[in-house]
Amino acid sequence: DIVMTQSPDSLAVSLGERATINCKSSQSVLYSSNNYLAWYQQKPRQPPKLLIHWASTRESGVPDRFSGSGSGTDFTLTISSLQAEDVAVYYCHQYYKTPYTFGQGTKLEIK
Amino acid sequence: EVQLLESGGGFVQPGGSLRLSCAASGFTFSNYAMNWVRQAPGKGLEWVSAITGSGGSTYYADSVRGRFTISRDDSESILYLQMNSLRAEDTAVYHCAKVRATVTNYYMDVWGKGTTVTVSS
Repeated sequence: DIVMTQSPDSLAVSLGERATINCKSSQSVLYSSNNYLAWYQQKPRQPPKLLIHWASTRESGVPDRFSGSGSGTDFTLTISSLQAEDVAVYYCHQYYKTPYTFGQGTKLEIK
Repeated sequence: EVQLLESGGGFVQPGGSLRLSCAASGFTFSNYAMNWVRQAPGKGLEWVSAITGSGGSTYYADSVRGRFTISRDDSESILYLQMNSLRAEDTAVYHCAKVRATVTNYYMDVWGKGTTVTVSS
């Protein structure tokens, strides 16, 4: 199984500041120039919402302060200027091969 | 608007069975793979099962293989998860999620709100 490890487990950032969440996979999720890696945002009592797919492609309607980067086994989700509505848990997810797996989640709060 | 609405959750004793349903609307259901993903109370996301757009291929997490069966009725746009031999560790909110492709190794773009399964004596 591909193990997804996120860091940190929790993060407190001031409004307007940058937030960075890391995700490392136990094996490469890169195939044919595509990284099979997505990022989701989950707010309390809501289902996950797709933010980023193919590691760096922002989903339609997602604010451009959200960006994804990385390749192979190391990935990053960056929120360039934290807004109050960004408080949530963020998950990375590999869809390269079954069993599809998620990181343990990173809880983002306002400092 | 794409919508997914799960139902069928409830309280069941260990060893019991439940069938979850996910009613889809707003898209051509048969063209897309679908997943079930669960979330135990206070925990993270765990992929459970996937089915291709054709229904020809199904996949399971080791934790549920042999006990759960995923299926779909494309004529009614409904996804199912038959859960047998339920255990306490199956207690979770179960979400269905649409995949943005016919094959399953693609990202999930729309999620339902989930239905709660509680397994307890």
